[in-house]
Amino acid sequence: EDKVVQSPLSLVVHEGDTVTLNCSYEVTNFRSLLWYKQEKKAPTFLFMLTSSGIEKKSGRLSSILDKKELFSILNITATQTGDSAVYLCAHSGGSNYKLTFGKGTLLTVNP
Amino acid sequence: DGGITQSPKYLFRKEGQNVTLSCEQNLNHDAMYWYRQDPGQGLRLIYYSQIVNDFQKGDIAEGYSVSREKKESFPLTVTSAQKNPTAFYLCASSTYGSGGLYQETQYFGPGTRLLVL
Repeated sequence: EDKVVQSPLSLVVHEGDTVTLNCSYEVTNFRSLLWYKQEKKAPTFLFMLTSSGIEKKSGRLSSILDKKELFSILNITATQTGDSAVYLCAHSGGSNYKLTFGKGTLLTVNP
Repeated sequence: DGGITQSPKYLFRKEGQNVTLSCEQNLNHDAMYWYRQDPGQGLRLIYYSQIVNDFQKGDIAEGYSVSREKKESFPLTVTSAQKNPTAFYLCASSTYGSGGLYQETQYFGPGTRLLVL
């Protein structure tokens, strides 16, 4: 059974800190790994990773995939209170492009 | 503005009642999905549809039903058989990329929170 495990489940930091969120997965047929940010309602897309070792970057956020060790990390540098959210990791596998989600990491950034 | 809309924002269900959650998209996406989110849990797939008039069960389909009569619409009915329906329901869509392959990236609506009276 395909599985996605995120750690930590919750994290509290101060503004300006750097955080690393982890996502490990087990999948029969790997296609891609995706990161989403969920504040109050709809998850919003951050990154899609398909190749090992290639960092994707968007402002203060970056992510990388290791297909050999079956994990991905999401880094946020110089955190701001607006980064407070649940960060969801999901993988896509199989022929029907279903996404399997982890439980998410709740990040709280205090001023 | 292109996007996915869900209604209502909040929905109250009485015992033994069926309720229907609406999901509409004007992104011209082919595939649509319904997820359920419980506190402290990730998203769990209820049903998905890759094409009009066709849909498949996800991981937790029991107590739910769907229809896909139009490309832009994918309503979810929570039946009385679903004994624990209180949750946040999210609809998503995705489309084909180049070469006829689905793009994995799914775009989400704002969600409907279902509460039981």
